[in-house]
Amino acid sequence: EPEVTQTPSHQVTQMGQEVILRCVPISNHLYFYWYRQILGQKVEFLVSFYNNEISEKSEIFDDQFSVERPDGSNFTLKIRSTKLEDSAMYFCASSEKRAAPPERSEQYFGPGTRLTVT
Amino acid sequence: AQSVTQPDIHITVSEGASLELRCNYSYGATPYLFWYVQSPGQGLQLLLKYFSGDTLVQGIKGFEAEFKRSQSSFNLRKPSVHWSDAAEYFCAIWGYQKVTFGTGTKLQVIP
Repeated sequence: EPEVTQTPSHQVTQMGQEVILRCVPISNHLYFYWYRQILGQKVEFLVSFYNNEISEKSEIFDDQFSVERPDGSNFTLKIRSTKLEDSAMYFCASSEKRAAPPERSEQYFGPGTRLTVT
Repeated sequence: AQSVTQPDIHITVSEGASLELRCNYSYGATPYLFWYVQSPGQGLQLLLKYFSGDTLVQGIKGFEAEFKRSQSSFNLRKPSVHWSDAAEYFCAIWGYQKVTFGTGTKLQVIP
């Protein structure tokens, strides 16, 4: 069964450094998402991406964050200058469609990248 | 905006006992509902989903959930819990092009 993959599984970085988290969505999917989960808290939506542009973003997704689809397979989340509070598990997800029929808009999640900012 | 409430932060059950995890949602249209499980340090695994049709849905690992529109609920059940079920469980709703998660219920299983 096709799956979303993410690399690395764990990233440690120093405060102020830039970090890029990588995701390979399922190959025929067109919609891509990033979520994050701070330790002990719920999973929160960050951003959705379609047709090479952001379609929706949350208030968490400020100017420090950016997303990109640099080629036909990867989807990346960049944090320009990491802060301690960026430490979290970051999940990538993808879906075939955005809306109806719902079966094709189901989001498939990757295993996550644990980001630790020291 | 949609929201999901999981009123139980932490539940402890004995191995072999039945389990019910509660989930209530708020959404202005037909909800698309999910239950995910997360083991410590792991990613999210989809247990089951409800889009339409039969309101009792079967999932993996022996889990089932029942959608009750009148109560805005989507409770997760398992008739006999195994020690390997100890994990955190998230109810989620899809709407407005994103998934909104509940705060999770941590399940502890005692021998």
